[in-house]
Amino acid sequence: AQSVSQHNHHVILSEAASLELGCNYSYGGTVNLFWYVQYPGQHLQLLLKYFSGDPLVKGIKGFEAEFIKSKFSFNLRKPSVQWSDTAEYFCAVSWDYGGATNKLIFGTGTLLAVQP
Amino acid sequence: EAGVTQFPSHSVIEKGQTVTLRCDPISGHDNLYWYRRVMGKEIKFLLHFVKESKQDESGMPNNRFLAERTGGTYSTLKVQPAELEDSGVYFCASSQDPREKTSYNEQFFGPGTRLTVL
Repeated sequence: AQSVSQHNHHVILSEAASLELGCNYSYGGTVNLFWYVQYPGQHLQLLLKYFSGDPLVKGIKGFEAEFIKSKFSFNLRKPSVQWSDTAEYFCAVSWDYGGATNKLIFGTGTLLAVQP
Repeated sequence: EAGVTQFPSHSVIEKGQTVTLRCDPISGHDNLYWYRRVMGKEIKFLLHFVKESKQDESGMPNNRFLAERTGGTYSTLKVQPAELEDSGVYFCASSQDPREKTSYNEQFFGPGTRLTVL
C-alpha cells in the first residue's frame, strides 16, 4: 500500500540552528510531492511542492526540499530557523496514474519547536 | 477571496448520536476532498468529489459515513451512528482541476472540525 514516512515526530531546535526533516514514500511511479505546515491555531498551508523539473524546490519562508528519486525521499530543509517556524510539518505525496484523483497520502507529521 | 470554511469548528456528541459536518470550498473549485486525522496518527484521505460526483470514496471507513455534495457546491459529511473511534479532526480541501497537467493544482485546506465522541 502507498505510505509516507516522516522520521522525526518531535524536533526541538534553538533559533538559527539548521533544520532537516526527513520524508520517504513507499514506492516509485510518477509522484507529486508536498510539504504542508500548520502553525498554531491556523489552517494547513502549502509550504512547497514538487511536480516536475528541478528536484531542488524552494518554498515560502526560506524553506527548500530536495527530491531524490532513487531514495524515494523528499527532505525539507532550512538553513536557519526562527521562533516563528514553530509548527507542525506534514509531508504528503500524490501518485499520478493519469486519472483525475489527486488524493494526498500524508506522513504522521513532525512537531517542530524552536526555542528563542 | 474567502478560503475553505468548515462548520462547526468543534462538535462533542455521545456515542450513537448523529453529526453532520459541513464544508464550503473556495468558489469555483470543482474538486472537494475530505480527510480525517485521528489523534496521534496521520491525516487520512476519505473521499473526493468532482462537482457533485464521487470520484473516489476508497477512504471512507464504513457505511456509517455518508458524504454528499448536492449541486456541486458545499459538501456535508454525516456520521450516523457515531462511535468512539470516529473522534478526530475532519479536514476539507478544495482545488481547481487536477487533470490540468501543466501545473499542479494545490489543495487548499479548511480549518477542520474537531469531533469528539464520548
